[in-house]
Amino acid sequence: GDSVTQTEGLVTLTEGLPVMLNCTYQSTYSPFLFWYVQHLNEAPKLLLKSFTDNKRPEHQGFHATLHKSSSSFHLQKSSAQLSDSALYYCAFPLMSNYNVLYFGSGTKLTVEP
Amino acid sequence: DSGVVQSPRHIIKEKGGRSVLTCIPISGHSNVVWYQQTLGKELKFLIQHYEKVERDKGFLPSRFSVQQFDDYHSEMNMSALELEDSAMYFCASSLPGQGGSDYTFGSGTRLLVI
Repeated sequence: GDSVTQTEGLVTLTEGLPVMLNCTYQSTYSPFLFWYVQHLNEAPKLLLKSFTDNKRPEHQGFHATLHKSSSSFHLQKSSAQLSDSALYYCAFPLMSNYNVLYFGSGTKLTVEP
Repeated sequence: DSGVVQSPRHIIKEKGGRSVLTCIPISGHSNVVWYQQTLGKELKFLIQHYEKVERDKGFLPSRFSVQQFDDYHSEMNMSALELEDSAMYFCASSLPGQGGSDYTFGSGTRLLVI
């Protein structure tokens, strides 16, 4: 069935180093993909959404490119900041119901000084 | 616009007990989705209502029921609570048809079953 996979459960980085969080999907169609971010004791919030025309969405220094050939939507940032420490979820909508998102297992990013 | 409002913020119940969680969506948002977050990570889809009708059900236990009312607010009735029900419960709302890109999450209800 359709699914989204985040291979890293925990990622620890030093401030200033680049960030890449992996997201791959398995689907019988080409869905929109999303990245949501959840800071400690807060609600999840939308970070990025893929475009249909291969444009690269960017927000708060983060970007992600949807690669249909490899079924991936990895999240990247050139230089990690302490405030980037959070939970990051990759998500995609049900094929049968665009109003429902399925979330990946999440990656906890910790940025250290 | 006060965002999505969930109540209560925290609740402690005994095993076997009952609880009611409330979600007030953003005005005009008729699509309301509930998620359970356990161990501080996995966001598990429970149920979705759109225009007061249940549209999709995920991992909602049969001990739980969810209803959406005329003003689109939603209530989750939980009965025969089990220790494994301890979790954070989030609801999210959106305008119809815009799906996940317009999800606004509430601040969640933390349920502890003892």
